[in-house]
Amino acid sequence: DAGVIQSPRHEVTEMGQEVTLRCKPISGHDYLFWYRQTMMRGLELLIYFNNNVPIDDSGMPEDRFSAKMPNASFSNLKIQPSEPRDSAVYFCASSRDGGNEQYFGPGTRLTVT
Amino acid sequence: DQQVKQNSPSLSVQEGRISILNCDYTNSMFDYFLWYKKYPAEGPTFLISISSIKDKNEDGRFTVFLNKSAKHLSLHIVPSQPGDSAVYFCVWNAGNMLTFGGGTRLMVKP
Repeated sequence: DAGVIQSPRHEVTEMGQEVTLRCKPISGHDYLFWYRQTMMRGLELLIYFNNNVPIDDSGMPEDRFSAKMPNASFSNLKIQPSEPRDSAVYFCASSRDGGNEQYFGPGTRLTVT
Repeated sequence: DQQVKQNSPSLSVQEGRISILNCDYTNSMFDYFLWYKKYPAEGPTFLISISSIKDKNEDGRFTVFLNKSAKHLSLHIVPSQPGDSAVYFCVWNAGNMLTFGGGTRLMVKP
């Protein structure tokens, strides 16, 4: 099992540019989650999907953030336009039944200059 | 709204001794509390859970204790090993949505 795959692992971009983060969940998992980790706010849930449908996006910080899950094996998180305060590690996680055990990817470290 | 607080940002223990990581919460309504472990440059991994109807759950070297009257839970690691050095998160499960505490960095010295 390859686990949750995220790309890129590192992203450096300039303020105002569009950023796209990608995630491939574990096959057979019905739930997909996007988290963000910062020094100030810790690890926080941004949005989650069930069977490719967004269920709760209350953690998405602003309209500049959007996430989609076009099929069961892919999701992306976009930031447009990016700002320096978006710099963080973004994690994708998936789970089979939405229960206690979520499987996290290695994260994407985003730096916006 | 639930708040999960880990007041000790770091803990250092000697190999073979007990590690005790603490967590306080504010809302009595919950089904499960969880502990996740995180190594540098990796995502968090699930470690152990406890349901609201129990006061203890044990899995090998790891035991979680729940004190509902004090709104407090703790994770005991016995004996501690150098490979246990990581950041430990206390996590509230609100039906698919996980709320993470700030984490405690555990360092186990050989």
